[in-house]
Amino acid sequence: DAKTTQPPSMDCAEGRAANLPCNHSTISGNEYVYWYRQIHSQGPQYIIHGLKNNETNEMASLIITEDRKSSTLILPHATLRDTAVYYCIVRDKAAGNKLTFGGGTRVLVKP
Amino acid sequence: DTAVSQTPKYLVTQMGNDKSIKCEQNLGHDTMYWYKQDSKKFLKIMFSYNNKELIINETVPNRFSPKSPDKAHLNLHINSLELGDSAVYFCASSQGLISYNEQFFGPGTRLTVL
Repeated sequence: DAKTTQPPSMDCAEGRAANLPCNHSTISGNEYVYWYRQIHSQGPQYIIHGLKNNETNEMASLIITEDRKSSTLILPHATLRDTAVYYCIVRDKAAGNKLTFGGGTRVLVKP
Repeated sequence: DTAVSQTPKYLVTQMGNDKSIKCEQNLGHDTMYWYKQDSKKFLKIMFSYNNKELIINETVPNRFSPKSPDKAHLNLHINSLELGDSAVYFCASSQGLISYNEQFFGPGTRLTVL
């Protein structure tokens, strides 16, 4: 699976949009981009995934650049409960469903 | 209505002991996983099972033996516990081996080896 690079931490104001970047410059054509998050002391939670089109669900939006070498997770209206470590993962569908977690971005939502 | 549950939540034991962690999912999934999160917070997959068959074994010492009595359960037995086994262990499940299916994680079991 391709490696990803994320900033180690970022702060966000409550009620504002949080934009979380991820670089995956070595991504290959059949690798998907996934986002999970881990709230303190809990198991990781799936957020969203995409291949090349932008995606939106009830939790977030995923913007993937045209060359697919980077993506941005957008939390439209961050709440205090969104404070967590956010992981960007790229995965080949032939990888046997293995998730390879990196260091993630520690997001602190401040009031 | 917990989707993926693990027991116990905390486990403190002495070096050299044998212990088990249990995992159950009520989502009807046929693929289950064990992940380990060490003190540096890195999450790494250990095993995955699909329909009770081992699919992934990520070079885990053979002191770790997963057991899947049925599709809804994947237990982790650890022999001769070592200090380095101290970590949080997460169980997860998903539907099939199709990669875009999300994985649902349990709450974790914090293992401390003294």
